[in-house]
Amino acid sequence: SQQGEEDPQALSIQEGENATMNCSYKTSINNLQWYRQNSGRGLVHLILIRSNEREKHSGRLRVTLDTSKKSSSLLITASRAADTASYFCATVSDYKLSFGAGTTVTVRA
Amino acid sequence: SAVISQKPSRDICQRGTSLTIQCQVDSQVTMMFWYRQQPGQSLTLIATANQGSEATYESGFVIDKFPISRPNLTFSTLTVSNMSPEDSSIYLCSVEGGESYTFGSGTRLTVV
Repeated sequence: SQQGEEDPQALSIQEGENATMNCSYKTSINNLQWYRQNSGRGLVHLILIRSNEREKHSGRLRVTLDTSKKSSSLLITASRAADTASYFCATVSDYKLSFGAGTTVTVRA
Repeated sequence: SAVISQKPSRDICQRGTSLTIQCQVDSQVTMMFWYRQQPGQSLTLIATANQGSEATYESGFVIDKFPISRPNLTFSTLTVSNMSPEDSSIYLCSVEGGESYTFGSGTRLTVV
C-alpha cells in the first residue's frame, strides 16, 4: 500500500537548477529511502536516512528527515539532463517497502 | 548488491491469456517481492515469495490471478492469469540487500 503523499507531482527545471521534492509518511519508521526510476524501468536506490538522522548528503543529493512531522525532502543540486526521472520515497515495514506517489522531474537542457 | 535479470522486458498480450515473468538473482536471497505499477502510478506490492512456502499476498491480490513460484533461492516467477486490459502495467521484482532493495528492470505488459 502507498505510504503517503509526495509533492510536487511533477517538476520541470532548467539544467543547473536545484530540484526539491517532499514526501510525507504515515507510520513510525526505522529509515526512509529514496529511489529513482528512469522511463518506467527498474528502480535504483539513491539514499537512505535513518530515523535518528536529520540530514544526509550523497554527491549532489541532500535528504532531510523530520520525524515529528513525518516528512522528508530530497534536494538534487546542479541538475543535469540525466536526472530526468521519477523519484519515490519509501518506508519499510516487515521487510516490505511502501512507496510514496512519486515526483516526476524533467530537466530541460 | 544483488543483480537481477528480469524477463521479458515487455510484451503485448491478448485478453484472456496468461504471461509468466521471470526474475533471476545472482545470489541467494530469502525473500523476493513482486510489485505492480499501473500507468502513471506508484508501486504496489503484490506478494512476497519465500523459497519452500506459499507466497504471501497483499490485500486485493489473489493467488488464482497472480500465481507465484519460488523453486530456489535465486529464482522466482509471477504469472498474470486470464489477462484483461486493466492488467496493463509494469511488473517488477525486488530483493532486499542489507537496508536497501534492488529491483529488476521491469516488465511492461500491455493487454489488448
